[in-house]
Amino acid sequence: GQNIDQPTEMTATEGAIVQINCTYQTSGFNGLFWYQQHAGEAPTFLSYNVLDGLEEKGRFSSFLSRSKGYSYLLLKELQMKDSASYLCAVEDSNYQLIWGAGTKLIIKP
Amino acid sequence: DTEVTQTPKHLVMGMTNKKSLKCEQHMGHRAMYWYKQKAKKPPELMFVYSYEKLSINESVPSRFSPECPNSSLLNLHLHALQPEDSALYLCASSQEQGLSGNTIYFGEGSWLTVV
Repeated sequence: GQNIDQPTEMTATEGAIVQINCTYQTSGFNGLFWYQQHAGEAPTFLSYNVLDGLEEKGRFSSFLSRSKGYSYLLLKELQMKDSASYLCAVEDSNYQLIWGAGTKLIIKP
Repeated sequence: DTEVTQTPKHLVMGMTNKKSLKCEQHMGHRAMYWYKQKAKKPPELMFVYSYEKLSINESVPSRFSPECPNSSLLNLHLHALQPEDSALYLCASSQEQGLSGNTIYFGEGSWLTVV
């Protein structure tokens, strides 16, 4: 079967760093996406990883290890506006997106 | 600029009504999608259009009927819905289906309430 696991909820402090993990078992792998979704809004694209390693985009970085079936999203210098759900999605061998359930990130002052 | 626009943003309909959700993109994308999302759940794929032809129907009940009038527009016709169909309906587009790294861009969504 296809499975993506992420923590349901995490809490972090404004100005700190948080790492959101995602592990996956899918039928093939053609890349991994991270999306951010604020409450009541649509998901917005954050990052895409297809090769092992770290991709950095400003305060956000995403890491992939294909051999371990593992990715993480790293958020630095947290701001209150980063409070949102973060969705991990894997593109399988049929180029279909398999979605994780999302991680709700709560930022406290 | 990545923009997918959806109308209406909110819709309340009775179980005997017929209504439509509309979606438009002008990014030259050749794949368009309808997703359904319930609270605290990830988006659930309903339909995919590729080059204006329906390529994926994820066993969606016939009370949902998609239509792709041209490469920029995507509609979802709704008829005889049930209260459990109340959800956020998301339209999305991507450059092309079946490409690795095919980033999907979502519209703001249409909140549907069936009463």
